Parts: sequence; C-alpha cells; structure tokens
Amino acid sequence: GAGVSQSPSNKVTEKGKDVELRCDPISGHTALYWYRQRLGQGLEFLIYFQGNSAPDKSGLPSDRFSAERTGESVSTLTIQRTQQEDSAVYLCASSSRDRGLWTEAFFGQGTRLTVV
Amino acid sequence: AQKVTQAQTEISVVEKEDVTLDCVYETRDTTYYLFWYKQPPSGELVFLIRRNSFDEQNEISGRYSWNFQKSTSSFNFTITASQVVDSAVYFCALYNQGGKLIFGQGTELSVKP
Repeated sequence: GAGVSQSPSNKVTEKGKDVELRCDPISGHTALYWYRQRLGQGLEFLIYFQGNSAPDKSGLPSDRFSAERTGESVSTLTIQRTQQEDSAVYLCASSSRDRGLWTEAFFGQGTRLTVV
Repeated sequence: AQKVTQAQTEISVVEKEDVTLDCVYETRDTTYYLFWYKQPPSGELVFLIRRNSFDEQNEISGRYSWNFQKSTSSFNFTITASQVVDSAVYFCALYNQGGKLIFGQGTELSVKP
C-alpha cells in the first residue's frame, strides 16, 4: 500500500481480555516501530524491528506485551490480560535505508485502545 | 543511551510572531539523525524536517528553519511568522545509526489570532 496501515482503528475491550493490533508497513521498509501515546503525552517507544536482526524490546512495559513481525511485512502487537492503564493510542511506523541513510519514519493513523 | 529532551511543555504566541522550539539530545553515536514532527489535533504525525549529524549547514525551508549545534547537542526549530494552523504538538526525534528512533515529550504550540 501507499502508507502504513493499522487495524483496527478503534478497539474497546474489557479488562482482562487479550487484544491484537496489526500494522502493515510500507512495502520494502525494513524497519518497523511500535509506540504508545497516552492522552496528552509523548510517544513512548515500545519495540523496534530491523530486517532479520533480533528486535529491540527494551521499551515493552511488562511481559503482558509482545510483538511479532513476519519477515519485512506485517507486525502484530499483542497485549494480554489488558489493564485500564493500557488505554492509549498505539502507533506503528516504518522506515528504510536510502543510499545508506535512514529515511524519516512514516506513521500509521494509530489504533485507539480503550480498556473498560 | 539515547535521550531527547524538550524542556518547553507549552508555548503560546500571537499570530505572526516567530517561535523557537527547543530540543536537546543525548547519544553516543557519531552518526545520527534528527527530526521534527508535527501532530495536529487530528492526531496524525507529520514529518517536517531532518538533519544528519554530518551535515555542515543549517537550512531554511519556507517558514521553517532549524539550528543544529553539535557542541551543545541541540536541534532547535523555528517557525517564522506563525499562523493559527501551526497550532499543534511538535516532537523532536533522534535516530541512531542502527535505526532506533526515540522521541522527546513534545511541545504544545498554541498560535492565537
């Protein structure tokens, strides 16, 4: 596709349920990022995939959070046993190298997660 | 470790004033990249400008300009003759050579008519 696509755009879930958020990066982009943005706050880094390297999971807030990426395509962020503090917009971005330089990151529209 | 600090939480100006947004970064990498993004009330993140650590000169792009000072690890962003449509949250971001992208906490800019 032309841009980064995230689904669903909105998700309301009950506390304790598991949720899966999906990100389709721009075709050919080797790098993929997940961020969390709580209301009125900045972008909190969660996880970063780069090609076939081991992902950088240093931002995942707890073991309830996990993410996978198949090759250089789709990524899924899974939150198990959701809590109310997980309510936020989850943003996905992708980027690539162009003649050795990283391009800017292109962002999806985000998934607004509400845990009730 | 990488870190980006935007000390200004909120700025309010009157239309046509110039406004500078501050950004200070920390990195151990010798090659890195700096960006400014805009997030209007609609929520999407819009790329504005980039600067590579090895670039020599500061530049101007329309009403936007930026001042990169390696000696003070700062990457400040100026909007000249601000407009109401510039009202948004502005984020400074740092890429290291490995591609990890870290954002500052953002500065909310309000431009009043």
